[in-house]
Amino acid sequence: GAVVSQHPSRVICKSGTSVKIECRSLDFQATTMFWYRQFPKQSLMLMATSNEGSKATYEQGVEKDKFLINHASLTLSTLTVTSAHPEDSSFYICSARDGGPYGYTFGSGTRLTVV
Amino acid sequence: DQQVKQNSPSLSVQEGRISILNCDYTNSMFDYFLWYKKYPAEGPTFLISISSIKDKNEDGRFTVFLNKSAKHLSLHIVPSQPGDSAVYFCAAVKLVRDKLVFGAGTILRVKS
Repeated sequence: GAVVSQHPSRVICKSGTSVKIECRSLDFQATTMFWYRQFPKQSLMLMATSNEGSKATYEQGVEKDKFLINHASLTLSTLTVTSAHPEDSSFYICSARDGGPYGYTFGSGTRLTVV
Repeated sequence: DQQVKQNSPSLSVQEGRISILNCDYTNSMFDYFLWYKKYPAEGPTFLISISSIKDKNEDGRFTVFLNKSAKHLSLHIVPSQPGDSAVYFCAAVKLVRDKLVFGAGTILRVKS
């Protein structure tokens, strides 16, 4: 089946630095990828939708300058958390449209801790 | 505006019995609904889905029922196994938006 690889699985960074999270579709081409954020004991909240070769579409309330999304190829989307602060600490998950009838395959997630 | 709601934060069931997870939605324009299972620090894995034109879909131990008039769906797991213990998310999607809307999740604990 479709596989989405997300790296890193865990990252700890200092406040003020930037962190890049990668999401790769391993055995299919993903023209559309999605980035979610999950707070403890809460649902997955969609942050943005990225389409290969075009600008990402951000959900209301998500700062596009803080959460930079790049989808430069059909198999790779990246999320960069710029100038990270402790309140950005969260679990970030990517997902890709895998072309099946109900096809949304998720990555394994990245636990970001900003200290 | 919470379009998909899972009102039970947790459910505890004895091994071998039926687990019933519930989900309500407010938007009648959703095209299909999905259930995902999630372990801590992992991404969700797809379990089963149902189109809005169906009222039941079954896959092994998992059955999803859709009641459109009540805007309610449920996931039945029978028999429940300890390995089913996880967080279960209900999600809905409108094809034209291509965007999954998730409920808050229900923690299922299956006791052996």
